[in-house]
Amino acid sequence: AQKITQTQPGMFVQEKEAVTLDCTYDTSDQSYGLFWYKQPSSGEMIFLIYQGSYDEQNATEGRYSLNFQKARKSANLVISASQLGDSAMYFCAMREGTSNTGKLIFGQGTTLQVKP
Amino acid sequence: DAGITQSPRHKVTETGTPVTLRCHQTENHRYMYWYRQDPGHGLRLIHYSYGVKDTDKGEVSDGYSVSRSKTEDFLLTLESATSSQTSVYFCAISGEREFVYEQFFGPGTRLTVL
Repeated sequence: AQKITQTQPGMFVQEKEAVTLDCTYDTSDQSYGLFWYKQPSSGEMIFLIYQGSYDEQNATEGRYSLNFQKARKSANLVISASQLGDSAMYFCAMREGTSNTGKLIFGQGTTLQVKP
Repeated sequence: DAGITQSPRHKVTETGTPVTLRCHQTENHRYMYWYRQDPGHGLRLIHYSYGVKDTDKGEVSDGYSVSRSKTEDFLLTLESATSSQTSVYFCAISGEREFVYEQFFGPGTRLTVL
């Protein structure tokens, strides 16, 4: 069965520094997709970044990058130059296969606090 | 932003009463989802729909039913609410980027069952 694990319940980072949020996954599928979402204190879920299992390069979106290590089954989110507005909960999620049903399995989340 | 609204946004109800949550989208997307969010569990899929009148169960479907009579509306019903169904409920729709299918979420509904 597929599973997502985020082992860091809470993280602190100094403003303008980089931070890595850990995510490991478990699946028997060869084809899958990995996602990161941000949930600020206001509660909405914001899509950040996607990595496909066959993508050879790590995904990047602005200050967000996904450090994809397929052999280790890890998909860590790297936020460069942290900003106060990055304080939020972050969820890693996985979709098995390329099916367009898009069902996602989520991790438990990591709360990030950016210190001024 | 994807056009997704949820109603009501907050609801307090009593154990044993029926509750219906509504999700409405203006994106004409085929796929819609209901999740619940609880501390320590992240988001868990309740039910999803892959078209009008086509629905299927997710990970935590017991005690919930859904209906989709129009592309734009996806209803989640708790036939007889229990305190364990106190949660934040999110509706989502799938984007149409091939092989990606990222989900866009509504604002959430906070449900309290007393």
